[in-house]
Amino acid sequence: DAGVIQSPRHEVTEMGQEVTLRCKPISGHNSLFWYRQTMMRGLELLIYFNNNVPIDDSGMPEDRFSAKMPNASFSTLKIQPSEPRDSAVYFCASSSGSGGTGELFFGEGSRLTVL
Amino acid sequence: AQTVTQSQPEMSVQEAETVTLSCTYDTSENNYYLFWYKQPPSRQMILVIRQEAYKQQNATENRFSVNFQKAAKSFSLKISDSQLGDTAMYFCAVSGTYKYIFGTGTRLKVLA
Repeated sequence: DAGVIQSPRHEVTEMGQEVTLRCKPISGHNSLFWYRQTMMRGLELLIYFNNNVPIDDSGMPEDRFSAKMPNASFSTLKIQPSEPRDSAVYFCASSSGSGGTGELFFGEGSRLTVL
Repeated sequence: AQTVTQSQPEMSVQEAETVTLSCTYDTSENNYYLFWYKQPPSRQMILVIRQEAYKQQNATENRFSVNFQKAAKSFSLKISDSQLGDTAMYFCAVSGTYKYIFGTGTRLKVLA
């Protein structure tokens, strides 16, 4: 089975541009998570979905960030407009467990560099 | 709210030796799970071991074992017979009610 698939692997953009990161969770998983990893702050939970519904977006840093999950097999994280401080690795992860019991399966991450 | 603290930013160990990585956590959940994840230079996050908080017995996976002290909210990872391939960042995490919260990680280097 394919794991969690993220695209792009690397993105370099200029400040002010819109960035869209994509994620395809493992088939059958009902929970999806977006994390941001930086040296200073480690792994931060941005938002998580359960059965395609956003449950908690309290980790989303600003209104410039938005996430959607239109169906069980696809999610996007959008940053508009992007800023240099958004530079980080963004991970998508999915899980089949209920209530935080299962293993989190991570994608390979999208490294974003905003110039 | 859930928090995870890893107080050792970096550690090193000689090949074939044993090393213990520390983790403390706090949670208001009654039912929760604890995890150790490994992130090698490839960036891929890999599950090392999982502990169910309601189980007294410490989890073990080959060379990896945990020391789970529920009252102290401590969840340390012991790596026996360390191998060069164990060189990586190690993250402790706690989950409950959908959320998975990670610590800041410990960078482990295994020396030849």
